[in-house]
Amino acid sequence: DADVTQTPRNRITKTGKRIMLECSQTKGHDRMYWYRQDPGLGLRLIYYSFDVKDINKGEISDGYSVSRQAQAKFSLSLESAIPNQTALYFCATSGRTGRETQYFGPGTRLLVL
Amino acid sequence: GQNIDQPTEMTATEGAIVQINCTYQTSGFNGLFWYQQHAGEAPTFLSYNVLDGLEEKGRFSSFLSRSKGYSYLLLKELQMKDSASYLCAVREALSYNTDKLIFGTGTRLQVFP
Repeated sequence: DADVTQTPRNRITKTGKRIMLECSQTKGHDRMYWYRQDPGLGLRLIYYSFDVKDINKGEISDGYSVSRQAQAKFSLSLESAIPNQTALYFCATSGRTGRETQYFGPGTRLLVL
Repeated sequence: GQNIDQPTEMTATEGAIVQINCTYQTSGFNGLFWYQQHAGEAPTFLSYNVLDGLEEKGRFSSFLSRSKGYSYLLLKELQMKDSASYLCAVREALSYNTDKLIFGTGTRLQVFP
């Protein structure tokens, strides 16, 4: 089984709808992240959480919110989706040690019409 | 501010050697990662450098010069499966024991027979 899972894998929604993307991990990591990826722009950090009680905004948090329901779960919500939120969304986790890489989920492809 | 530059695209021939460069400007530098990402898939960890010098791992090597704000990823004995995007990411310290990754836009490598 995959260590980091994301649901759904693909989603089509309409402008103005509220949607939630979910991320779960079995790696036992405290740190979790949400990124979006757009062609030519690379991965950009939306929100990150270093433990269950810690939530921090990344560089592009406007229009998004998150919930850290448990150590293993980190959800991203779009309260009112707009077309420029069409992107590939990745969840990632990492441990606390200095050399620890981030482990990415398989991604959620979101299309907002 | 933060700035990470890498070439947008590169091409190479199967069996050859290719070097992908990355230059960065960031405060609180705390290490540099290279990731491989096949189209539509999650990034996967390739290498990590925090001290100056060369880290070798099989066909892949990564070099870092902190004084020059420069890194490269060297791929030897190229195979068709190496066709992918290669992401340079700098680990930036935020405060004690907290940090985040800043990603470059990625270099798309195409390997031809």
